[in-house]
Amino acid sequence: DIQMTQSPSSLSASVGDRVTITCRASQSISSYLNWYQQKPGKAPNLLIYATSSLQSGVPSRFSGSGSGTDFTLTISSLQPEDFATYYCQQSYTAPRTFGLGTKVEI
Amino acid sequence: QVQLMQSGAEVKKPGASVKVSCKASGYTFTSNGISWVRQAPGQGLEVMGWISTYNGNTIYAQKFQGRVTMTTDTSTSTVYMDLGSLNSDDAAVYYCARVGTLTSSAFDLWGQGTLVTVSS
Repeated sequence: DIQMTQSPSSLSASVGDRVTITCRASQSISSYLNWYQQKPGKAPNLLIYATSSLQSGVPSRFSGSGSGTDFTLTISSLQPEDFATYYCQQSYTAPRTFGLGTKVEI
Repeated sequence: QVQLMQSGAEVKKPGASVKVSCKASGYTFTSNGISWVRQAPGQGLEVMGWISTYNGNTIYAQKFQGRVTMTTDTSTSTVYMDLGSLNSDDAAVYYCARVGTLTSSAFDLWGQGTLVTVSS
């Protein structure tokens, strides 16, 4: 299985901050990298697919970049509703494994 | 309304099996595969496997091979996940998720989750 490594595992930030989360795959996954947001007690929600494509309805302050094995999620100006846990996922091959998550806290 | 609706919470004894259902509505059921993902308390997301709703083909994560069975019923647009030989490590919220066809196979629609408790 492809291993996905996220960093950091948690971070503290303030409203208005620029936040960057990184994700590394154990082998090349081309651009098959997705990002999800999960709030406590809720199912995950797709934010970005194929490295940089914004899912419908997701605010433009979220963006993604990268290719091969190294990827980033950027939140340009953190909003109160963005405090959550973020997961990367590879959809290059089954099983479509997730990273361990990054918790964004105040 | 496009949604995946899962069955309710379950309490099972160690060694038992649990069967969770996931009913799709609002879209063409056979157009998208379904994956099952579980999340233990305070932990991350773990993919258990995938089923084609078109022909019933399955791919299971190696960790669950021999213990999990995923099936599909096109007449009711429902997918089932059956996990056997339960132990305390299987206590988790189980999610079904639709594999997107226009989103590079990302999981673009999720069920609400089913809590499975394993306790003697």
